[in-house]
Order: sequence, then structure tokens, then C-alpha cells
Amino acid sequence: GNSVTQMEGPVTLSEEAFLTINCTYTATGYPSLFWYVQYPGEGLQLLLKATKADDKGSNKGFEATYRKETTSFHLEKGSVQVSDSAVYFCALSDQGGSEKLVFGKGTKLTVNP
Amino acid sequence: SAVISQKPSRDICQRGTSLTIQCQVDSQVTMMFWYRQQPGQSLTLIATANQGSEATYESGFVIDKFPISRPNLTFSTLTVSNMSPEDSSIYLCSGGQGRAEAFFGQGTRLTVV
Repeated sequence: GNSVTQMEGPVTLSEEAFLTINCTYTATGYPSLFWYVQYPGEGLQLLLKATKADDKGSNKGFEATYRKETTSFHLEKGSVQVSDSAVYFCALSDQGGSEKLVFGKGTKLTVNP
Repeated sequence: SAVISQKPSRDICQRGTSLTIQCQVDSQVTMMFWYRQQPGQSLTLIATANQGSEATYESGFVIDKFPISRPNLTFSTLTVSNMSPEDSSIYLCSGGQGRAEAFFGQGTRLTVV
């Protein structure tokens, strides 16, 4: 079945550091890929998405590129802020979006001033 | 984008009792799902809520324990029945339409004592 493997956390960085959170997937067909973010005490919010190979999703300075050859969708940000402290979930949908999602285990990011 | 409202936002319940969680979407959506997020864990899909018919449950989840209703395209309920402390989790409703992104409610934080 479909699965998502996400870098184990927690991750602690200083403000303005470079962030990478690794995500790889196993899926049949051509899934859509997502990064969701969960801020403390809040629900899930979509951060970015990519629906086909080589697509790059971007939002709020975060980027991730859909790499079919390596089945990866790593999340990156060039300069993190304290406000980026949250739990980040990589997910896939095997029906192109708005279908049921398979989530990775989540990576907790803490950014210190 | 769709806004999903869940209630209650949190509850503390006695073991052996049941709790019904409501999910209201501000626009019609094709698909609605219920997820569980156990403490420190990722999200696991419980079931797909089908309008006017029985929900489709994932492996490990059964209707007797988690009865779900979806009377129309904007509303669904999840009941957690005969609760035990192991049911303490965050329960999230999700909805979406077509190939658009999936939206999540804020979640219901359930503690069973």
C-alpha cells in the first residue's frame, strides 16, 4: 500500500538557519504530494502541494519539489523564523487531491531566537 | 477555500460513555473524511463519510465503535462509542472537492478518564 516516510524529529534550529525535512514515498500510480503544518494548539493547514513530477510547490518561503525518480518531496526553507516552529507532515493522495491522505509521522521543528 | 468547523473543540469524558463530534463545512464538498491523531503520532484515516449511505472504514476501525453519519454534502458526525482511555486522541474532520486541496477542521481533543 501507499506510505510516506518522513525524517524523524525533533529538529531544533536557530533563527535564519536553513531547513530541510526529508520525505520519501511509496505509491502506485501518480500521487499528489503535500506538506501540512500544525502550529501549537491548532488544526492542520496546507502549506504547499505538487500534483505531478517536477512540480515545485512553494508558500511562505517554503519549497518542495516532486521528484519521481527518487520518490521524494523534501521540504526546504532558506531562513527559518521563530514563527515557523510547528509540526510538519508530509502526505500523499493517490487520487490527485481531496481524496484520502496518507501521512508521514510528522517532524517537530523548534526555532530558537 | 472551504472552512470546516468542528465541535466540540475538546472534551473530557468518562470511560464507557459515547461522544458525538460534529463537522460542518461552509460549502458543498464531494468528499469528507475522519482522522484520528493519537498523542505524539501522525494522522490515521478512520473512514470516508459517504452521503446518504454507510461510511467506508479503514482497516482496524469498525462501525460499532465509530458510527458515522453524513446526511448531506456539508455535514457529518463521528461518534466514539463505549470510550476507553485508549481513545484519547485528536479527531479531525477533512473535506474537499475534486482535485482541490483537502481542508481540515481544528480538531476535537478528547480525553477519556
